[in-house]
Amino acid sequence: EVQLVESGGDLVQPGGSLRLSCAASGFTFGSYWMTWVRQAPGKGLEWVANIKKDGSEKYYVDSVKGRFTISRDNAKNSLYLQMNSLRVEDTAVYYCARDRFVMVQGTTKGGWYFDLWGRGTLVTVSS
Amino acid sequence: DIQMTQSPSSLSPSVGARVTITCRTSQNISRYLNWYQQKPGKAPKVLIYAAFSLQSGVPSRFSGSGSGTDFTLTISSLQPEDMATYYCQQTYSDPWTFGQGTKVGIK
Repeated sequence: EVQLVESGGDLVQPGGSLRLSCAASGFTFGSYWMTWVRQAPGKGLEWVANIKKDGSEKYYVDSVKGRFTISRDNAKNSLYLQMNSLRVEDTAVYYCARDRFVMVQGTTKGGWYFDLWGRGTLVTVSS
Repeated sequence: DIQMTQSPSSLSPSVGARVTITCRTSQNISRYLNWYQQKPGKAPKVLIYAAFSLQSGVPSRFSGSGSGTDFTLTISSLQPEDMATYYCQQTYSDPWTFGQGTKVGIK
């Protein structure tokens, strides 16, 4: 079965650290860019970070730059998010998602969307 | 960052009604616009990508249109299982951003 399963969410104090994992199965993990998206309780979706197929390129939203690190291990079919210096505002459900690249009609470059999502893991930052 | 504004924030039409959700972006994003559906307690699911392409397995009552700064998601005949929150997303430039969501209930 094609799926993504996140783990590692927990209750952590402000300033603490946490490492999230995402296990992929049913597809060739190393052939896809991967992404982390988060959703604060009762709020909308926020793209957090993504990583190239071979891990050589990584991109982050400004609010987590310098604190979060995305990585992957293609031999283990796994995606990670190391979160340091956690803040109360980092409280959210964290989803991993698979990036899909498509050519966009009428344009000269391709576009991206998230075609496979995990169920998410809850990170709560509170004292 | 590109700002995304969805309207309305919520609506509760009757089963069988035609539903239209709009998404306006703060700058021209061509057709780099996706739509997702999220049911309570579940992960989001892509419905439409690149403005009007229907994702495999998604019912044909869902359709997307628009380009530039104005986009629309249409449900031609609302079904009970369509009760969810719908989000637009741009992937034209980093950081990829989402709209604030439109909650669709059933009257």
